[in-house]
Amino acid sequence: AQSVTQLDSHVSVSEGTPVLLRCNYSSSYSPSLFWYVQHPNKGLQLLLKYTSAATLVKGINGFEAEFKKSETSFHLTKPSAHMSDAAEYFCVVSDRPGTYKYIFGTGTRLKVLA
Amino acid sequence: ETGVTQTPRHLVMGMTNKKSLKCEQHLGHNAMYWYKQSAKKPLELMFVYSLEERVENNSVPSRFSPECPNSSHLFLHLHTLQPEDSALYLCASSQATLGSNEKLFFGSGTQLSVL
Repeated sequence: AQSVTQLDSHVSVSEGTPVLLRCNYSSSYSPSLFWYVQHPNKGLQLLLKYTSAATLVKGINGFEAEFKKSETSFHLTKPSAHMSDAAEYFCVVSDRPGTYKYIFGTGTRLKVLA
Repeated sequence: ETGVTQTPRHLVMGMTNKKSLKCEQHLGHNAMYWYKQSAKKPLELMFVYSLEERVENNSVPSRFSPECPNSSHLFLHLHTLQPEDSALYLCASSQATLGSNEKLFFGSGTQLSVL
């Protein structure tokens, strides 16, 4: 069965320093993996998606994630945090294609300090 | 603006009320979803409609009743809810294919409070 674990419920960084949000997954299939961001009182917005075309995936707002099959990880990074990056981030793994099931992690709340 | 619009944004209702949540997508997608987001819990899939047919019903209590009259509209009818049903209800859509699970587009949600 598919599962996803976000290793940190809260991460704090200073503005201008790198961001690392960790995600490990379990999947019996070749997974599709996603990162979403949720700002307060908003829905979820897609940051990036991995679908096996390339292990390093670039997303919006300077975020990127690297798929590492040997480590079953899909960590999200950004070289330099901005205040506007403060939000909750969700790692998502899809179930078998065509099943409409997406497994969401419990989220990591990112705080950016001035 | 993601192309998925939910109304109302906020809803307060008593346990004996009947209300409905509405979702509309302007993206031409063929699948629509209801998710429940509670504090400190992962998003819970409630219902999925593909081409206006329900394809997923995740053991949701009967006090939640979905309706999909066409591929652009999705409703969630609520009646005799419990306080533990208070949560953010998110609607999403996707262009589903047999070969892959495509990205979801979410609305801003309806924050529901049951008194």
